[in-house]
Amino acid sequence: GESVGLHLPTLSVQEGDNSIINCAYSNSASDYFIWYKQESGKGPQFIIDIRSNMDKRQGQRVTVLLNKTVKHLSLQIAATQPGDSAVYFCAENLTGNQFYFGTGTSLTVIP
Amino acid sequence: GAVVSQHPSWVICKSGTSVKIECRSLDFQATTMFWYRQFPKQSLMLMATSNEGSKATYEQGVEKDKFLINHASLTLSTLTVTSAHPEDSSFYICSAQAIRTGGVAGYTEAFFGQGTRLTVV
Repeated sequence: GESVGLHLPTLSVQEGDNSIINCAYSNSASDYFIWYKQESGKGPQFIIDIRSNMDKRQGQRVTVLLNKTVKHLSLQIAATQPGDSAVYFCAENLTGNQFYFGTGTSLTVIP
Repeated sequence: GAVVSQHPSWVICKSGTSVKIECRSLDFQATTMFWYRQFPKQSLMLMATSNEGSKATYEQGVEKDKFLINHASLTLSTLTVTSAHPEDSSFYICSAQAIRTGGVAGYTEAFFGQGTRLTVV
């Protein structure tokens, strides 16, 4: 598989600050990407998606940026809240095929 | 949106026994489902692609005789961990792909089950 099992990097932010979570993907042919949020003991939950012909997409309090040149995705969370504390994964997809997950980042929001 | 249900949520078994995990798509048909494994503080690792009516496709390094996958209907895939050992203890998650309302048009999203925590003692 293309995902690599590594220990999660961590990010701590103060409540109300903005968070930026980064992800490097592996396949330059991947054309669709999703950010997922995973809380402890639960399956991943969809946050936002983006396709490869876009470089930015905005949702409610979240923005995803895609840089295909360096195969990099970022997730920006505005006004981070305690409920945002979780592990965040990016997933890459080549249309019709499997999703492969990045390493993930553990976000802790400090009240 | 699409719902994927996984059962059981948690199972403890003795070393040497086999454990079956079920993954169901509740409100849509899934010709393809995916099985992932997740160790603590690590990412999801794709184990295999489960294809309805045919053999599963396993990722490199995953033992197909150890992790038996059956996808007998359009709404059910099962993963059986055979002769489980403590090193098989992990969090197993299934997913199925479907079009997401509100997502990028024309693209499918992976909908996940809630996961199964397997502890082999």
